[in-house]
Amino acid sequence: QTVVTQEPSLTVSPGGTVTLTCASSTGAVTSGYYPNWFQQKPGQAPRALIYSTSNKHSWTPARFSGSLLGGKAALTLSGVQPEDEADYHCLLFSGGAPVFGGGTKLTVL
Amino acid sequence: EVQLVESGGGLVEPGGSLRLACTASGLTFRNAWMTWVRQAPGKGLEWVGRIKSQNVGGTTDYAAPVKGRFTISRDDSKNTVYLQINSLKTEDTAVYYCIAGLGLSDFDMWGQGTMVTVSS
Repeated sequence: QTVVTQEPSLTVSPGGTVTLTCASSTGAVTSGYYPNWFQQKPGQAPRALIYSTSNKHSWTPARFSGSLLGGKAALTLSGVQPEDEADYHCLLFSGGAPVFGGGTKLTVL
Repeated sequence: EVQLVESGGGLVEPGGSLRLACTASGLTFRNAWMTWVRQAPGKGLEWVGRIKSQNVGGTTDYAAPVKGRFTISRDDSKNTVYLQINSLKTEDTAVYYCIAGLGLSDFDMWGQGTMVTVSS
């Protein structure tokens, strides 16, 4: 069973830049893991942000970008806004089955 | 506008059964791959399973922890996907989300979720 690991929490200042990462217990994350990223605000359902590593949905703000970085999937927020405070979940396809990470709580302070 | 509305959640005793439904609008449902994901209180997301569209066989896949107890089905005439949960355990307590894959990924559009509580 693949384990997907994210930072439990991160803090960023408004207007700053922050990178969240998503690692796999099986080794380096590649595009073949089709990384997905989701945003979840308190009391709300998750919302898809990024699919297949770096592709944005039509509603994804331009300040969000996805990439591969140092063997992990990464979500970078540039010019962070107060409304970006949320939980961020990554997902990897490993062995054909989707596996979520534990989520990163992003605080904008 | 795509909308997914889940229903059928509630309080159930351990060992009981429940059928969740998710009705979709604003999309060509028969072409959508439908996924269920759950989230236990205060925890992360867990993939439960998926049903493909009928034009590629309508096949299902399940996460190992739920295989044999959970069954996903769909009725394209009603734009509805179902999740039948049998032999409920306390660890099945979670919000269950229905998700539509609209061609970009399996996880394009999410419903608001329905809460299932398993307790005696």
